[in-house]
Amino acid sequence: GIQVEQSPPDLILQEGANSTLRCNFSDSVNNLQWFHQNPWGQLINLFYIPSGTKQNGRLSATTVATERYSLLYISSSQTTDSGVYFCAVGTGGFKTIFGAGTRLFVKA
Amino acid sequence: GAVVSQHPSWVICKSGTSVKIECRSLDFQATTMFWYRQFPKQSLMLMATSNEGSKATYEQGVEKDKFLINHASLTLSTLTVTSAHPEDSSFYICSAPGLAGQAPYEQYFGPGTRLTVT
Repeated sequence: GIQVEQSPPDLILQEGANSTLRCNFSDSVNNLQWFHQNPWGQLINLFYIPSGTKQNGRLSATTVATERYSLLYISSSQTTDSGVYFCAVGTGGFKTIFGAGTRLFVKA
Repeated sequence: GAVVSQHPSWVICKSGTSVKIECRSLDFQATTMFWYRQFPKQSLMLMATSNEGSKATYEQGVEKDKFLINHASLTLSTLTVTSAHPEDSSFYICSAPGLAGQAPYEQYFGPGTRLTVT
């Protein structure tokens, strides 16, 4: 099956810093989503981005489908950005597979 | 956007008993839903695909007799953990794909159910 690798696994930032999270996948995808999991476990949809670039406030994402990777950019990080960021992909049909996640901690 | 709910949000049960978790799509129909399990500090692992009107499809290594899935309507899927044991304690999350034509493969996730088996 498809492999999804996220890097880095852990990231510590000073408030105000910028960061880039990466997601590599091993096969063609028809779906790619970025999520932020909050402390209560709820998955917050950040982007649905099987290809192209999107921006939402301080967050933006780019997926280069032909090269099988996606990037999530966080600018001017805030303490509330702390949590786990997941990349999830789907190949054929609706089944979605998650990467291992990047655990982000933003220091005040 | 599409909303998925789960009930209960948390449950504690005794070893050997069964627990049912509901997953509902509130404002859209879902012929397919998915069930995931997440252990502490780990990622979400897909357990099974729930199909309305037919049998669920289980991922390799998931015991279908232990995790019973029923998708009785276009808005409701249930996961029953039978004869629960402490090792079944986990966070269970369901999802459903969004509306066709816009972002047809976008998944919407429920808030999760935390199961503790004592």
